[in-house]
Amino acid sequence: DADVTQTPRNRITKTGKRIMLECSQTKGHDRMYWYRQDPGLGLRLIYYSFDVKDINKGEISDGYSVSRQAQAKFSLSLESAIPNQTALYFCATSDFGGSDTQYFGPGTRLTVL
Amino acid sequence: RKEVEQDPGPFNVPEGATVAFNCTYSNSASQSFFWYRQDCRKEPKLLMSVYSSGNEDGRFTAQLNRASQYISLLIRDSKLSDSATYLCVVKRGNFNKFYFGSGTKLNVKP
Repeated sequence: DADVTQTPRNRITKTGKRIMLECSQTKGHDRMYWYRQDPGLGLRLIYYSFDVKDINKGEISDGYSVSRQAQAKFSLSLESAIPNQTALYFCATSDFGGSDTQYFGPGTRLTVL
Repeated sequence: RKEVEQDPGPFNVPEGATVAFNCTYSNSASQSFFWYRQDCRKEPKLLMSVYSSGNEDGRFTAQLNRASQYISLLIRDSKLSDSATYLCVVKRGNFNKFYFGSGTKLNVKP
C-alpha cells in the first residue's frame, strides 16, 4: 500500500462549489504539506503543518483552507472554487529531524469549470 | 526573482549521452539541496540529495557551489528510462520549507 494517499485522484467541479481534497499517510511523519503544480511554474506551497496544532500559510494560501484532523490526515479545502484553481495538487510529508526527504502522494487533478 | 530557477529544456539527447543540468537559487541562507525526478503526471520522487563535497550515485553526479549559488546534476550514459522532468529543490529555514524549481525536461531518444 502507498505510504501517502490522496483522494480523489481526479475531480471536475463547477465554479463556486466547495471542494475538499484529502491526504492520509502511514509514514508516521509530523510534517505535512499541500502544493499545487501548474505548467511552467513548478510546485508552489499552499499550506504546511508541523503537527496537529500547527498550521502555516504557504506562498499561495488565498482561496484555500486546511485542516489537520490527526497526525496522519491533512485536508485541503477550496471554499468556493474558481477556474484558476485548476491544477495538479500534491500532498507531501517529511520527518522532523530526519533525512529532509519529502514523500509525495500521487496527486489530485482538479478541474474547475 | 524566483527562489529556484532552472532551464525548462527540453534537453533531447541520444541514448548513451552525457547531459548536465544546472539550477540557481537566490537565497544564500538555503541549507539543503536536492534533485527530484518527476515522470509525466506522477508525483515527484527524490533522486538524490546534494552535498557541498559533491556526491555520486551510479550514473548520477550532483554538485553544489555555494559561492555561486548553483547546483548541478550530471547524468552519464543516458538511458531511455531517464526521460523525465528533473526538479531542483532547496530547503531553507528552521521549519522545513522547500522551494521547487519549475523543472528541466529530459528526453532520451534511441
